[in-house]
Amino acid sequence: DTAVSQTPKYLVTQMGNDKSIKCEQNLGHDTMYWYKQDSKKFLKIMFSYNNKELIINETVPNRFSPKSPDKAHLNLHINSLELGDSAVYFCASSQSGGRANYGYTFGSGTRLTVV
Amino acid sequence: DQQVKQNSPSLSVQEGRISILNCDYTNSMFDYFLWYKKYPAEGPTFLISISSIKDKNEDGRFTVFLNKSAKHLSLHIVPSQPGDSAVYFCAASVQAGTALIFGKGTTLSVSS
Repeated sequence: DTAVSQTPKYLVTQMGNDKSIKCEQNLGHDTMYWYKQDSKKFLKIMFSYNNKELIINETVPNRFSPKSPDKAHLNLHINSLELGDSAVYFCASSQSGGRANYGYTFGSGTRLTVV
Repeated sequence: DQQVKQNSPSLSVQEGRISILNCDYTNSMFDYFLWYKKYPAEGPTFLISISSIKDKNEDGRFTVFLNKSAKHLSLHIVPSQPGDSAVYFCAASVQAGTALIFGKGTTLSVSS
């Protein structure tokens, strides 16, 4: 039973389209994240939600809008997709206030290709 | 500006020898440090961590060393195995459970 699951795993779409990536965790964690891994392999945080509340919103275009209907889900909606949005997007979860060696649990990633 | 730096993009080691992966950081507020391992087409998986109150943490073949004065940590893998071949990310946070800042990763190749 997958702890953090993302769908879809691959997404190819045209510029200008709107798309969503879904993420669900069954670990009972209270914090969820979206990370972007760009072509330079750099993993960079985009958003963080704690108990459905946005707590981190890094410098990300407002075409990206996260939505957390409950603490087990964090979806990412992207409007007006651009070529530069092509990347692998990782969802992760963690338990706030936990021990350091809790770490994050990551999903397997969604490879988005904008053509 | 990168707060966590892994200056070696790749490392090649023979099976049975020691692998040493290095990481430097600039933010003195970082309190927790973690190493993640990533295989192709998979998400990163947690490997080992260390709190800033310690200078060493060991788990089986994996040991992480922290030198706070130098703002440097390293991951030692002894003995290295072919299955250890992966990308290793160093990460840090100012508090357990808060957002992790990642380095760019080091690709480790262990040959048999």
